[in-house]
This record gives sequence, C-alpha cells and structure tokens, in this order.
Amino acid sequence: EPEVTQTPSHQVTQMGQEVILRCVPISNHLYFYWYRQILGQKVEFLVSFYNNEISEKSEIFDDQFSVERPDGSNFTLKIRSTKLEDSAMYFCASSQGVGRNSPLHFGNGTRLTVT
Amino acid sequence: QKEVEQDPGPLSVPEGAIVSLNCTYSNSAFQYFMWYRQYSRKGPELLMYTYSSGNKEDGRFTAQVDKSSKYISLFIRDSQPSDSATYLCAMSVGGNKLVFGAGTILRVKS
Repeated sequence: EPEVTQTPSHQVTQMGQEVILRCVPISNHLYFYWYRQILGQKVEFLVSFYNNEISEKSEIFDDQFSVERPDGSNFTLKIRSTKLEDSAMYFCASSQGVGRNSPLHFGNGTRLTVT
Repeated sequence: QKEVEQDPGPLSVPEGAIVSLNCTYSNSAFQYFMWYRQYSRKGPELLMYTYSSGNKEDGRFTAQVDKSSKYISLFIRDSQPSDSATYLCAMSVGGNKLVFGAGTILRVKS
C-alpha cells in the first residue's frame, strides 16, 4: 500500500539553527500537510499546501516556518531559527482531494529535538 | 470548553472484550469524523472515516456519529493484544484541517 515517507526519523539541532524536514507524499495525492505533536499533547495542524501554495495555516505557523515542494515528489518544512519549544514530532500528511472520500494519510514523523 | 474532548485513559481490557472509545465536540460545523490508531513512535494510521451522522462498519471496527449530541464513538469487537495503541479521534469542517482529540491509550491484556 502506498505510504507517506519522512526523513530523517530523528533530528537533533541546536537552538537558533535552521532545520529542514523532508517528506515524500503518496504519488497521486495533490494536497499536503504538516502537523506536529509536542510530547504529551494533541496532534496540531500547522499548514496545508495545494497547487504550489499555502492554502491554510495555523497561528503556530509563523514567519519562522516555511514549506516548499521543490520537485515533483518532495515536500519540505523549514524552520529558520529553531527554539526549544519547537521540539516535537512533526508529521507530514497527504490526501487526494479535500473533504468526502479524501482522508489524510500520515507518515511516521520526524522527531525534532532542539537543545 | 475544548473543541474536541477525549478521555486519555488508559483503558485496560481483557482479550476478546468489546471496546468503546468516545469523543465529544463543541463545534457543530464539523462534518467529517475520523479515527486514527497510533502505535508508539509511529504516525497516525487511519482506521475509520465517516461523513455526517450514522454508523460505519469495517471488520471488527464500528464508528458511530451522533451530530445531535456532538458525540462520536469507535467500537472494537473481539479485541486483540495487537489493538493496544493510542486511538485518536479527529474531525474537520470541510477542508482537511483536522482537529484532534488528546487520544485514548488502550491496553488489551492476553
């Protein structure tokens, strides 16, 4: 069964450094997302992306965050200057469409640790 | 009031039991309701996806949505130790901005 793949599985970085988290969505999907889960807390929406632009973003997704689809297969999340509170699991997801019959499929996440 | 409420458990049951997991919500605009299963250090895995009110069955799993009560349930029949995981409810208004519950930890003892 097709799946969303994310790399790396674990990323350790120092505060203030830039990180790029990478995702390969399911190949025939058109909508892409990033969610995050701080340890012990709920999974939270960050951003959705369609047709090479952001379609919706949450309050968490401030100017430190950016997303890009640099080629036909990858989808990336960049955090420009990491803070301690950015430590979390970051999940990429994709869907064929929006709404009915288009559920989100998630990858296994990247654990980001900011020291 | 939280937008989506889910008892975190843990819920511990013997193998073979029927499990009932529930979420309540406050936003009456939610139309799409999902249940995801999450094993430790893994991503959420879609189990059930329903639109509006009603029941949906898939193997040992049954999802129920009662929009009038703002209440959704997931039933697992003949529970197995491999069902031990965290179960997340999630819902959305129409797009794919999902709002998740906190997750219920389920432990099925053999």
